[in-house]
Amino acid sequence: GAGVSQSPSNKVTEKGKDVELRCDPISGHTALYWYRQSLGQGLEFLIYFQGNSAPDKSGLPSDRFSAERTGGSVSTLTIQRTQQEDSAVYLCASSLVRGTDTQYFGPGTRLTVL
Amino acid sequence: QKEVEQDPGPLSVPEGAIVSLNCTYSNSAFQYFMWYRQYSRKGPELLMYTYSSGNKEDGRFTAQVDKSSKYISLFIRDSQPSDSATYLCAMSPTSGTYKYIFGTGTRLKVLA
Repeated sequence: GAGVSQSPSNKVTEKGKDVELRCDPISGHTALYWYRQSLGQGLEFLIYFQGNSAPDKSGLPSDRFSAERTGGSVSTLTIQRTQQEDSAVYLCASSLVRGTDTQYFGPGTRLTVL
Repeated sequence: QKEVEQDPGPLSVPEGAIVSLNCTYSNSAFQYFMWYRQYSRKGPELLMYTYSSGNKEDGRFTAQVDKSSKYISLFIRDSQPSDSATYLCAMSPTSGTYKYIFGTGTRLKVLA
């Protein structure tokens, strides 16, 4: 079946602009995660959605970052007033049920803030 | 000091060599250890996971955990050019949490 998909694959934006990154999880997966992968850094947890429960937003680095998940499926990560330090690869993953199940990653969105 | 340290490489080896990839960590509470493989421009994929100490083998891959030294290893036997990728270690206090701590990854090149 289809894996996790993300769009766009690349995004170049100017400092101060808002961006939206999209994630389509594997069909039937109820758990969804966002990570950030910066050059020379490990994957940094951003946010976790599980079904209809309140998301765990503890990894979001600032209030410029937000995410939503509509209908328990597609998720959008929004970064407002982008800064150069937001440049990174943003990865989405999904897992079948619980947070402990194997996470399947999408290919990521490479964000460059000029 | 980072909780998980991993040499970024790159590590270049000839085809057929045995590869050793390693991570050290500082948090003695870590119990659940994973290795991910990430090809260029792709997302990470889970290779292996182990719980607590010991070895685990899967084909050409062996994962080893030494909790007394806070050191984990991934060995690749008979390495192939298709093994060329970045290998990330990840760990957590238990298997019941999704907040894994990732290493920065080691870039491996297997030369034909």
